[in-house]
Amino acid sequence: QSVLTQPPSASGTPGQRVTMSCSGRSSNIGSHFVNWYQQLPGTAPKLLIYRNNQRPSGVPDRFSGSKSGSSASLAISGLRSEDEADYYCATWDDSLSGWVFGGGTELTVL
Amino acid sequence: QVQLQESGPGLVKPSQTLSLTCTVSGGSISSGSYYWTWIRQPAGKGLEWIGRIYTSGSTNYNPSLKSRVTISVDTSNNFSLKLSSVTAADTAVYYCARETVAGKYNWFDPWGQGTLVTVSS
Repeated sequence: QSVLTQPPSASGTPGQRVTMSCSGRSSNIGSHFVNWYQQLPGTAPKLLIYRNNQRPSGVPDRFSGSKSGSSASLAISGLRSEDEADYYCATWDDSLSGWVFGGGTELTVL
Repeated sequence: QVQLQESGPGLVKPSQTLSLTCTVSGGSISSGSYYWTWIRQPAGKGLEWIGRIYTSGSTNYNPSLKSRVTISVDTSNNFSLKLSSVTAADTAVYYCARETVAGKYNWFDPWGQGTLVTVSS
């Protein structure tokens, strides 16, 4: 069982906006920034969002992140078929003195 | 542009030691403010942080694996993972990644392509 809680699945149609959540506690999300990773089928994870809401160069502005208290969210607007992937949140946990991940949300574009 | 590539045996027998190497190209492993990290992913499951080594040589490990894990930097531009006393539960795709140090907002980028390690007799 993952330290951070993510819904196992999400879906949307092309052009829609979808959001996915990541909940933790004061020792992790409540105290640290959250990063999001996108894992396309059969590939390695790729950095999607860092420091809660920053996009690395090359990541479309359709992707946005936010954090409030001990929870974080990833939003994808203008959904496209190539967005079908698993999305993982991650942050540092002071209690464990290590990085923790969510269990991942599998996004399906209908 | 920094790139990482994992290598090592794809099959390890139970109770033996899993050994993997991550080769870093496009940059020096001994310069900059980075941790060099190992992360694994069992088939169909989520990501698990294994541990990391800083450019200074200091290490941090996942408490659940700490007694079995050693991460070290080799003489060349590589770093390695050793996981002892493996069982079938250690079967996973193992990734190496670079963790950029930026105060309280570090992140993993880039990642290697991953290598599948199966523990079986």
